[in-house]
Amino acid sequence: SQQGEEDPQALSIQEGENATMNCSYKTSINNLQWYRQNSGRGLVHLILIRSNEREKHSGRLRVTLDTSKKSSSLLITASRAADTASYFCATDPFNFGNEKLTFGTGTRLTIIP
Amino acid sequence: GAGVSQSPRYKVAKRGQDVALRCDPISGHVSLFWYQQALGQGPEFLTYFQNEAQLDKSGLPSDRFFAERPEGSVSTLKIQRTQQEDSAVYLCASSLQVFDQPQHFGDGTRLSIL
Repeated sequence: SQQGEEDPQALSIQEGENATMNCSYKTSINNLQWYRQNSGRGLVHLILIRSNEREKHSGRLRVTLDTSKKSSSLLITASRAADTASYFCATDPFNFGNEKLTFGTGTRLTIIP
Repeated sequence: GAGVSQSPRYKVAKRGQDVALRCDPISGHVSLFWYQQALGQGPEFLTYFQNEAQLDKSGLPSDRFFAERPEGSVSTLKIQRTQQEDSAVYLCASSLQVFDQPQHFGDGTRLSIL
């Protein structure tokens, strides 16, 4: 079963605009990770935020984490056509020694040139 | 260096046949994971190895699914007596067995059962 839900399920924006995706999850976590998946390909790791962190940046990506609300958001600034992909959040459970990830349902992002 | 390699990329089998899917993890990665991804969904955990030890197989849907990693490197996911509901993309990932490390995914095997 999926741990989390991403919102929205699909998002279309103009190139250059910012894209925001949200993720909610259910159980305590060690960390939360965001992955990108291009059509027909595997997942690519984007950013990892630990449970004791509130915000993290990597290039054009900004991730926030609110453990009290069990939610996270991913912001992509100045979007490009190459950002078109599905984005998934994944949680690493608070269970040291078992690193399996539980993925959300994904947000399908389309950047319109 | 080379990433995670999966083969075959596509597999078509008739219902009832057995299939074997291979995963070559990144060299030196202790942890290896198998996930199943249905169309339009996120990946769902199947099983997890630390070296050759299968530490968690709680996600395997039935006893028709079997995974092994005999030498702690290459892994094989075997599905016996395939059913149509087994049609999905099977993803393999590997990671360093260090706290808070990302997983590195292969491009998957797309399995279609006719």
